Amino acid sequence: GAVVSQHPSRVICKSGTSVKIECRSLDFQATTMFWYRQFPKQSLMLMATSNEGSKATYEQGVEKDKFLINHASLTLSTLTVTSAHPEDSSFYICSALTRQGYGYTFGSGTRLTVV
Amino acid sequence: QKEVEQDPGPLSVPEGAIVSLNCTYSNSAFQYFMWYRQYSRKGPELLMYTYSSGNKEDGRFTAQVDKSSKYISLFIRDSQPSDSATYLCAMSADNTGKLIFGQGTTLQVKP
Repeated sequence: GAVVSQHPSRVICKSGTSVKIECRSLDFQATTMFWYRQFPKQSLMLMATSNEGSKATYEQGVEKDKFLINHASLTLSTLTVTSAHPEDSSFYICSALTRQGYGYTFGSGTRLTVV
Repeated sequence: QKEVEQDPGPLSVPEGAIVSLNCTYSNSAFQYFMWYRQYSRKGPELLMYTYSSGNKEDGRFTAQVDKSSKYISLFIRDSQPSDSATYLCAMSADNTGKLIFGQGTTLQVKP
């Protein structure tokens, strides 16, 4: 089946630093990837949609300069949280659109803690 | 009003019970309905997918969609402790667009 590998699973960083999260589609080509953020006991909130080779589309209220998304290949999309602050601490999850079944496969998530 | 409403629970049931999880929605354009299971600190995994109205059964799981009432349900029969997780409903208007998630219902099945 379609597998999306997300790394790192957990990261702790200092305020003001940047953190990169990677999502790789292991056995399929992901032309579209979605990035979500999930706060404790809350739902997944879509942050942006990235299409290979083009600029990401951000949801309202999401700062594109703070959350940099790169989808340079059909198997890799990255989310970089720039100048991280404690309020950016959250669970970040990527999802890739596949052609199997319904089509959305999720990564295992990244727990970001900014101290 | 949120587009998708889901009671966060928590819901606690004894092992073997039938569990009923529900979501309501307001956007009549939604056509694709999904249920995901999410264990703590993990990504969601797809349990059931239904297009438009109707029922779908897969083992102990049954998904129902009632578009006229804008109401979807997931039933779990013979619930097991391993079913303890958060269950998220999700829906979209097309099969390549963004998913809108419910808040998730936390389920605990006690042995």
